[in-house]
Amino acid sequence: KAGVTQTPRYLIKTRGQQVTLSCSPISGHRSVSWYQQTPGQGLQFLFEYFSETQRNKGNFPGRFSGRQFSNSRSEMNVSTLELGDSALYLCASSPEQGARSTEAFFGQGTRLTVV
Amino acid sequence: AQKVTQAQTEISVVEKEDVTLDCVYETRDTTYYLFWYKQPPSGELVFLIRRNSFDEQNEISGRYSWNFQKSTSSFNFTITASQVVDSAVYFCALSDTRLDTGRRALTFGSGTRLQVQP
Repeated sequence: KAGVTQTPRYLIKTRGQQVTLSCSPISGHRSVSWYQQTPGQGLQFLFEYFSETQRNKGNFPGRFSGRQFSNSRSEMNVSTLELGDSALYLCASSPEQGARSTEAFFGQGTRLTVV
Repeated sequence: AQKVTQAQTEISVVEKEDVTLDCVYETRDTTYYLFWYKQPPSGELVFLIRRNSFDEQNEISGRYSWNFQKSTSSFNFTITASQVVDSAVYFCALSDTRLDTGRRALTFGSGTRLQVQP
């Protein structure tokens, strides 16, 4: 079974630009979550999608947005990039077993550098 | 608000030593899940264990063992006879799970970098 796939692995963008990151969850997983990892703030929850609906959102500005498609693939978008957005962005997928929480399986991440 | 504290920023041991990584958490929820993840240099977070708040049994998996103590809000992780391949950053996490909606978000600690010297 293929794991969580994130593309691209590395990205360099200029301040003010926008960027779109992609995440393909494990086959059969319908929940996709996004996390930002920086040296200063650590791992922080961005948002979670299930069945194309955002179910939960972390404390990030509106420049950070996401969506999920009918095949459960998810994208996150960051507009008007700032230097502080440089981070490793991790995507996690989870199986859905009723309303019970299970472990999240993470991809290798997309390392975004804003210059 | 939920919080996970990993007070040990970095630990260095020599191969075959035992090492314990500490994790203390805060939550007002009565139902929650605790996790440990390993992050090797490749960046991927590798799931190690999940424990729910109703199960205080300690768990052992090979060289790994976990000690969950609700009375002290701690979920410590011990590696017995450490190996160089254990070198990584280890994260403890707490799940904010609403059983009615199934929403989930992980609150992570700041991580402990473990270096195992040969």
